[in-house]
Amino acid sequence: DAGVTQSPTHLIKTRGQQVTLRCSPKSGHDTVSWYQQALGQGPQFIFQYYEEEERQRGNFPDRFSGHQFPNYSSELNVNALLLGDSALYLCASSPGGGRGSEAFFGQGTRLTVV
Amino acid sequence: AQKITQTQPGMFVQEKEAVTLDCTYDTSDQSYGLFWYKQPSSGEMIFLIYQGSYDEQNATEGRYSLNFQKARKSANLVISASQLGDSAMYFCAMRTGGSYIPTFGRGTSLIVHP
Repeated sequence: DAGVTQSPTHLIKTRGQQVTLRCSPKSGHDTVSWYQQALGQGPQFIFQYYEEEERQRGNFPDRFSGHQFPNYSSELNVNALLLGDSALYLCASSPGGGRGSEAFFGQGTRLTVV
Repeated sequence: AQKITQTQPGMFVQEKEAVTLDCTYDTSDQSYGLFWYKQPSSGEMIFLIYQGSYDEQNATEGRYSLNFQKARKSANLVISASQLGDSAMYFCAMRTGGSYIPTFGRGTSLIVHP
């Protein structure tokens, strides 16, 4: 059984460009959350998707948007990239609407903005 | 507002010895959950252990145990019989009853010496 998979693993983009990151949740999981982890920091919550809707959002600008598909996979889009968007982006999936204690993370996408 | 504090930026331990990683939290909610995650250099966040605020027994998972002291608002992780593979970043996180989203601390880097 595959766990949470994220693609790509590494990405280099130029300031001002747009990027799309992808996440496939663990089998049986219906809730996907996205986090940004800057170097030396803990993960910061971006948003969570459940039933193809954004259910909760952290303190991130509208340049960060997302989508969840009927098969529960998800995308994170970032427009007008800034140097400060360079970070590890983590996807986490949970079963049962995300209310339980179980959450599995992917290996992350390391985004570098130059 | 909820807050997680990890005051130890780095810890060193000899192989086969036990180590305690500190975590204190602040919340006004009566219902909350506390998590510990391990993040090796590969980037993936690995779930270790969970403690609910109403759980009377301290949580244990193999070599991991959570020393939960509710009155002191602390949730320290104890790793017994440290192994070289335990070298990683460790994050404490809390999710309050009304939210689906955990808040993470800044992490503690653990290095296990042979």
